[in-house]
Amino acid sequence: DARVTQTPRHKVTEMGQEVTMRCQPILGHNTVFWYRQTMMQGLELLAYFRNRAPLDDSGMPKDRFSAEMPDATLATLKIQPSEPRDSAVYFCASGFTGTEGEKLFFGSGTQLSVL
Amino acid sequence: TQLLEQSPQFLSIQEGENLTVYCNSSSVFSSLQWYRQEPGEGPVLLVTVVTGGEVKKLKRLTFQFGDARKDSSLHITAAQPGDTGLYLCAGRFIIQGAQKLVFGQGTRLTINP
Repeated sequence: DARVTQTPRHKVTEMGQEVTMRCQPILGHNTVFWYRQTMMQGLELLAYFRNRAPLDDSGMPKDRFSAEMPDATLATLKIQPSEPRDSAVYFCASGFTGTEGEKLFFGSGTQLSVL
Repeated sequence: TQLLEQSPQFLSIQEGENLTVYCNSSSVFSSLQWYRQEPGEGPVLLVTVVTGGEVKKLKRLTFQFGDARKDSSLHITAAQPGDTGLYLCAGRFIIQGAQKLVFGQGTRLTINP
């Protein structure tokens, strides 16, 4: 089965360190999303790409977060410098537009703990 | 303020019982999706509803979209322990001129054997 692959699965780091999360979307999907999930806020959209072009990053704190798609097989989310409030599970999803609208397929997430 | 409100937040019932969870908004969705998420995994898409009043069935799960496209429900018949998980609804809205998929906080469902 094709699936979205995220690495690393877990990351523990100290405040101020750079964190890079990677995502391999499903081949043939033309959209990529980054979401953050916490108990308090639920799933929040951070960034959205279509055909590798960034379309929406309004949910992302731009002073410390950046999202890129250097090629069709790789999406990255960087946090620099990281802060304890960034602790969350970060999900990447890829998708395509079908007859019923957009279908998203999520990876298993990166559990980030910033100490 | 959440655009989408899901209720109840938590639900724990015995195997074999029926249940309904709800997803409500004061805004009109252009479409609505239901996802199930298990611990340590990402959400998995169950269904998309598009038309007001639409009803879709997936084995023991029945999904309904409200006539006004502002609410949806998920009904599970004869719940089984394998149905345990976080059920998320996600509505597509026009926000500041752009289409966005917004998730509710979820209903955490536990089915006890």
